[in-house]
Amino acid sequence: GAGVSQTPSNKVTEKGKYVELRCDPISGHTALYWYRQSLGQGPEFLIYFQGTGAADDSGLPNDRFFAVRPEGSVSTLKIQRTERGDSAVYLCASSLAVTGELFFGEGSRLTVL
Amino acid sequence: DQQVKQNSPSLSVQEGRISILNCDYTNSMFDYFLWYKKYPAEGPTFLISISSIKDKNEDGRFTVFLNKSAKHLSLHIVPSQPGDSAVYFCAASASGGYQKVTFGTGTKLQVIP
Repeated sequence: GAGVSQTPSNKVTEKGKYVELRCDPISGHTALYWYRQSLGQGPEFLIYFQGTGAADDSGLPNDRFFAVRPEGSVSTLKIQRTERGDSAVYLCASSLAVTGELFFGEGSRLTVL
Repeated sequence: DQQVKQNSPSLSVQEGRISILNCDYTNSMFDYFLWYKKYPAEGPTFLISISSIKDKNEDGRFTVFLNKSAKHLSLHIVPSQPGDSAVYFCAASASGGYQKVTFGTGTKLQVIP
């Protein structure tokens, strides 16, 4: 399909482990966002890329979280030393222009035991 | 600090009647507002938006109203259909650079056949 693709769809890991979540945006979309959604909450902004650079990473909760987008397309969200509180659905979105009309993937559900 | 608030976590409406979902915001810099719809196990999908230069925007059965002085917006769905049953997120952004979108906590709408 031509939508935003996220893998894995589900990830169960143990506390303290390292996790990578991948996002493949819609072709041609220069803007890419990561959000996190906890149960009963709305999506919470984590980081925004315009092209290859992280234009705004103010939403990353701490230095265990890091994201890259080396070629301006696919992005990887990396979480080190996972904690139970990191359990959430991690949503990736992309957009063609600098607007709020984001196209979301289905999310990666992370469970930290 | 919740800058976008949806105070009703849930709403039930009979099929064919009007659904009204409300949203309040606190950040006076917000000038672009959006509604997203989310089905279980899917990412949010864009529904309708409104710029602060308008007070109403209509798209088929969906109309968004904006009251800037009250920092309040609402989404009207008429007539409501069972397929409209989903979680609706209000979102907002500020212009002047890229638009980081801030989401509310969502309202779960149930349309009863």
